[in-house]
Amino acid sequence: GAVVSQHPSRVICKSGTSVKIECRSLDFQATTMFWYRQFPKKSLMLMATSNEGSKATYEQGVEKDKFLINHASLTLSTLTVTSAHPEDSSFYICSALRTSGGGYTQYFGPGTRLTVL
Amino acid sequence: RKEVEQDPGPFNVPEGATVAFNCTYSNSASQSFFWYRQDCRKEPKLLMSVYSSGNEDGRFTAQLNRASQYISLLIRDSKLSDSATYLCVVRKMDTGRRALTFGSGTRLQVQP
Repeated sequence: GAVVSQHPSRVICKSGTSVKIECRSLDFQATTMFWYRQFPKKSLMLMATSNEGSKATYEQGVEKDKFLINHASLTLSTLTVTSAHPEDSSFYICSALRTSGGGYTQYFGPGTRLTVL
Repeated sequence: RKEVEQDPGPFNVPEGATVAFNCTYSNSASQSFFWYRQDCRKEPKLLMSVYSSGNEDGRFTAQLNRASQYISLLIRDSKLSDSATYLCVVRKMDTGRRALTFGSGTRLQVQP
C-alpha cells in the first residue's frame, strides 16, 4: 500500500520556539494533504487542507499565522508551529490523498508527537 | 452537537465474544463512511469502508442506515489483537472538500 512518512516522529521544544513537521508521500504524488491534531483520548480534528501550489485552507478556529503550511511539491507538505506554547502539545498527523480510477484514498502518516515545555 | 458521535466505551469483552459498535452522524450530506482502527499512540488505519448494502470482511461486518444516519460495526470471535480504539469516520463532499471527519472513537479491550 501507499506510504506516507512524517518527520520527526517526536519532538520536545521550549516555549516560544518554532517547530517544523514534514509530511511526505513516498510512492505517489499528492496534490492534497491534510493536517490533523489529536489530543489525548480525543478525536482527530482537521486543522487544514494543504493544496500543492496554492494556499492552505484552514478550519474554523485554527490560526493560520500560528500553524504555517507549505505544500511546496507533489510529495511534501510542511506544518510549522510558530511560537509554540504548552497548549500546542499534541499528536499531529498528516494524510495524503491518492487518486486512482476515479476514486481516492487517504493515507495517514505515523504522526508527530509534540511536547512544548 | 458533534458531527460524528460514538460511545467512548471502554468495551471490555472476553476472547471469542461478539461485540457491536454504533455511530451516528449529523450531516445528511455525508457520502462516504468508514471504520478506522487506532492503536495507542499510533496513526489511524483503515479497517473497512461501509456501504449501504452492508459489507463483511472476515470477522468484521459493517452496516449503514442512511435514513437513520447510523453506522455499525460488528466484530465476531474477538481476538486479543482486536484491542484498540475504533473510529467511525465520514466524508462529505461539500465544496469539493474531501477531508474525513472522525468520531472520538470507541475503545475495545479484549481480555483473555
